[in-house]
Amino acid sequence: NAGVTQTPKFQVLKTGQSMTLQCAQDMNHNSMYWYRQDPGMGLRLIYYSASEGTTDKGEVPNGYNVSRLNKREFSLRLESAAPSQTSVYFCASSSGQIQETQYFGPGTRLLVL
Amino acid sequence: GENVEQHPSTLSVQEGDSAVIKCTYSDSASNYFPWYKQELGKRPQLIIDIRSNVGEKKDQRIAVTLNKTAKHFSLHITETQPEDSAVYFCAALIAGGYQKVTFGTGTKLQVIP
Repeated sequence: NAGVTQTPKFQVLKTGQSMTLQCAQDMNHNSMYWYRQDPGMGLRLIYYSASEGTTDKGEVPNGYNVSRLNKREFSLRLESAAPSQTSVYFCASSSGQIQETQYFGPGTRLLVL
Repeated sequence: GENVEQHPSTLSVQEGDSAVIKCTYSDSASNYFPWYKQELGKRPQLIIDIRSNVGEKKDQRIAVTLNKTAKHFSLHITETQPEDSAVYFCAALIAGGYQKVTFGTGTKLQVIP
């Protein structure tokens, strides 16, 4: 049982390049989330998927797109990377039931030059 | 939407002393308040949570208190140890079919041996 996994662990992009961050969970969770973490800013929600087949914007969705490929996988795409998107990205999942824990992946450190 | 404020942003204590981190929230409908601990370079992990129907919860050296009238909740760590050094995040959410969590900006706790 690996929990929540993310790839890649680290990525360097040039401004304007695109990339997709991958996330998968093996806990049969319904809900999945993408956060970004910047120094002093805590965790900010980019997009979330309450259940398979649905996605919704979070607090900071501009510049990102997501795909809930199936129940296990939730990807985050940067179509045209900008230096402001330099951050650590965390994927998380939860069962989707009332009042329970979010489980985080190990994070992806992204540097946009 | 929900707004969570967390104080202080940094906290240094001597080993063995107590540490208190405070959070306030804005949405009176929020009814679940988890606390996450994030060690350097690692993912956030749940350490304790409290639901709106109780005022206090304790788990060994950590405890959380909730004042729904004042809309604030606090994390208390007693007999601090060096391994307690980390960033702590509070969060608030409304229980429901999915969870859209609002996090505080984090408190960096340093326990000085």
